[in-house]
Amino acid sequence: DIVMTQSPDSLAVSLGERATINCRSSQSVLYSSNNKNYLAWFQQKPGQPPKLLIYWASTRESGVPDRFSGSGSGTDFTLTISSLQAEDVAVYYCQQYYSNPYTFGQGTKLEIK
Amino acid sequence: EVQLVESGGGLVKPGGSLRLSCAASGFIFSNAWMNWVRQAPGKGLEWVGRIKSKADGGTIEYAAHVKGRFTISRDDSKNTLYLQANSLQTEDTAVYYCVTGQYFDFWGQGTLVTVSS
Repeated sequence: DIVMTQSPDSLAVSLGERATINCRSSQSVLYSSNNKNYLAWFQQKPGQPPKLLIYWASTRESGVPDRFSGSGSGTDFTLTISSLQAEDVAVYYCQQYYSNPYTFGQGTKLEIK
Repeated sequence: EVQLVESGGGLVKPGGSLRLSCAASGFIFSNAWMNWVRQAPGKGLEWVGRIKSKADGGTIEYAAHVKGRFTISRDDSKNTLYLQANSLQTEDTAVYYCVTGQYFDFWGQGTLVTVSS
């Protein structure tokens, strides 16, 4: 199984500041035949289902604000929120959809400092 | 507008069974790969299984922790996804989400399954 490890487990950032969440996979999720990273990022607010933010490691889902961006390749990935807004308080998960089982990171709780 | 509405959750004793349903609308269900993902209370997300569209072979995959106990199926004529969960254990207690697509692009609100004596 591919193990997804996020860091940090929790993060407190001031409004308007940058927030960075890291995700590492235990093996590469880059599929060489199409040069795509099978990596997604999700946001989950309390009492709500997760919401897709980023797929293919860096493609923003329709409707997601452009302050959210994803980067990385192979085994190391980053979700960046360029200017934190109050509504961004949530738990963030990375996930690989490269191979069964399609595993998630443990989650990173983002709060306002 | 895409809608996924799960139902069928509830309280069941260890060793019991439940059948979850997910009614889909707002997209061409027969073309969609569909997943079940669960979340135990206060915990993270865990993929349960997936069924591809018939056009893509209808392949069904399961996570190891449910293989042999859970069965995923779909009825494209009813735009509905199912999860038959048998031999339920206390550790199966979770909110079960129905999720579309290869990269899990839309999630239902979930249905709570509680396994307890």
